[in-house]
Amino acid sequence: TQLLEQSPQFLSIQEGENLTVYCNSSSVFSSLQWYRQEPGEGPVLLVTVVTGGEVKKLKRLTFQFGDARKDSSLHITAAQPGDTGLYLCAGERNRDDKIIFGKGTRLHILP
Amino acid sequence: GAVVSQHPSRVICKSGTSVKIECRSLDFQATTMFWYRQFPKQSLMLMATSNEGSKATYEQGVEKDKFLINHASLTLSTLTVTSAHPEDSSFYICSAAWGGPGNTGELFFGEGSRLTVL
Repeated sequence: TQLLEQSPQFLSIQEGENLTVYCNSSSVFSSLQWYRQEPGEGPVLLVTVVTGGEVKKLKRLTFQFGDARKDSSLHITAAQPGDTGLYLCAGERNRDDKIIFGKGTRLHILP
Repeated sequence: GAVVSQHPSRVICKSGTSVKIECRSLDFQATTMFWYRQFPKQSLMLMATSNEGSKATYEQGVEKDKFLINHASLTLSTLTVTSAHPEDSSFYICSAAWGGPGNTGELFFGEGSRLTVL
């Protein structure tokens, strides 16, 4: 059973379009992180959300944590080719718990 | 953000040899480090949790005698793939958790090490 379900698994869109990636669970998480990984490199932390309903913005990226802290979304406005990569959500259900990763969303932005 | 360095970034070895990969936290002390394996176009698979000064905790299905983990100091963990075989070829990534004040579970990853076993 996958504790963190990410959707879609793959997404290929044109430059300039908007998109949303989802990370869902039936469990409550104390915190959720989003990472981006480019081929041949380690993941890089984008953001951490800890409060239900929290919204964080990172330039054209908007991250939201669900009110019940069971889900999160990443919205990208006016996608750029540089946004291409594997987006991973990860979270811990309780402090000091093992961090669980979703399977990732592979995003490809076409110029 | 915190910096984690992994070395080597790429290694090619002959079948039967052992390979050591190092993971260092450069600007913080990491009492816990994690080792992952990543297959092409897939997410990270946690192999083991490395605790400074104690034995690593391995995930189910990961052979502890095959993948030796040592966490000798607060800034260094090593993964040794013993008697490597072609099926061990993969991308290995380490991460470290920053446990300081306000810690909210973020992980900082190394650059990854691509192992190719001939």
